Amino acid sequence: EDKVVQSPLSLVVHEGDTVTLNCSYEVTNFRSLLWYKQEKKAPTFLFMLTSSGIEKKSGRLSSILDKKELFSILNITATQTGDSAVYLCAVDNYGQNFVFGPGTRLSVLP
Amino acid sequence: NAGVTQTPKFRVLKTGQSMTLLCAQDMNHEYMYWYRQDPGMGLRLIHYSVGEGTTAKGEVPDGYNVSRLKKQNFLLGLESAAPSQTSVYFCASSYFLRGSEAFFGQGTRLTVV
Repeated sequence: EDKVVQSPLSLVVHEGDTVTLNCSYEVTNFRSLLWYKQEKKAPTFLFMLTSSGIEKKSGRLSSILDKKELFSILNITATQTGDSAVYLCAVDNYGQNFVFGPGTRLSVLP
Repeated sequence: NAGVTQTPKFRVLKTGQSMTLLCAQDMNHEYMYWYRQDPGMGLRLIHYSVGEGTTAKGEVPDGYNVSRLKKQNFLLGLESAAPSQTSVYFCASSYFLRGSEAFFGQGTRLTVV
């Protein structure tokens, strides 16, 4: 059975801190790994990763994939209160399904 | 550019009532999905479709039916609603031939009393 695990499930930090969110997976047919941010409504897309070792970066957010060890990390530097959200990791198993993890709830305190 | 549109956005049903949720996408995506999201459980796949006229069961299909008569529309039906179906429902769509992210609708909050 395909599975995506995220850790930690919940995290509280103060503005300016740097956080690392973890995602590990076990799927039969891997095409890509995706990160989403969800704030009370629909998930919004952050990154899609297909190759190991190539960092994707967008402002203060960055992510990298290790296909040998089957995990990915999402880094957020200099956190702001607007970063408070649930961060979802998902794996595309070649279009049959996007398998989602339970999410990491990040709270950034002022 | 509408993307993925779900209707309705909110609904309250009594136990035993039926309803249909409509999802429409204007991106010519082959794949469409229905997920439910419950607290602490992430997104769980109910049913999905790989193209017009095809549907398949996901992780939690019991109590739901779907149809995809047109490529752009994917309907989710509840024949006899139960309180356990209280949830937020998300429709999504994606390309198949090339990898892409799933594009989500805004969600439907359903309460069954």
